[in-house]
Amino acid sequence: GENVEQHPSTLSVQEGDSAVIKCTYSDSASNYFPWYKQELGKRPQLIIDIRSNVGEKKDQRIAVTLNKTAKHFSLHITETQPEDSAVYFCAASGGGSNYKLTFGKGTLLTVNP
Amino acid sequence: SQTIHQWPATLVQPVGSPLSLECTVEGTSNPNLYWYRQAAGRGLQLLFYSVGIGQISSEVPQNLSASRPQDRQFILSSKKLLLSDSGFYLCAWSAGGGGSYGYTFGSGTRLTVV
Repeated sequence: GENVEQHPSTLSVQEGDSAVIKCTYSDSASNYFPWYKQELGKRPQLIIDIRSNVGEKKDQRIAVTLNKTAKHFSLHITETQPEDSAVYFCAASGGGSNYKLTFGKGTLLTVNP
Repeated sequence: SQTIHQWPATLVQPVGSPLSLECTVEGTSNPNLYWYRQAAGRGLQLLFYSVGIGQISSEVPQNLSASRPQDRQFILSSKKLLLSDSGFYLCAWSAGGGGSYGYTFGSGTRLTVV
């Protein structure tokens, strides 16, 4: 089955700096890669996703890049703000069981004012 | 638009008591439905998923069971709760019919077994 590794597990940045979270996946058939943000005590919410026919996608201050050859994808947050502080999860699906997402273990991002 | 409802929001139950958590989805047909647990820490553990009425797949053998009596209803149950069943339980749905889609999560149930 699919295996998703996520790094780092914790990340602390100063307000205004950029943050990068990286994930690798094992199933070369995976074709869908979403990112979720979970604030303390709340549900995870989809913030951006990318499909395998696209190398990069951007939405305001967040962007995701995908390297299918290397089987890794990354989340980039620019001009970080304190409200970006949360746990971020990457995920992958589209392999044999294409309706299941396999999640990474999460990255706790802290943006210090 | 589609919405997902999950209840109750919080629950405190004694060890050995039964459990029933319910999740319903509105505004879509034949969704894929999922139950996740998030224990202390951050990981999302997939417990059960369903691609149709009466079709349940279990990811982790444990003290819990799931049922899907109607197309847009997903129930998580236990006959006897253990302390280790404490956690944050999340229901989620995605579009069915094959293909890969993002999940929409319910607001979650925080279960404390005492």
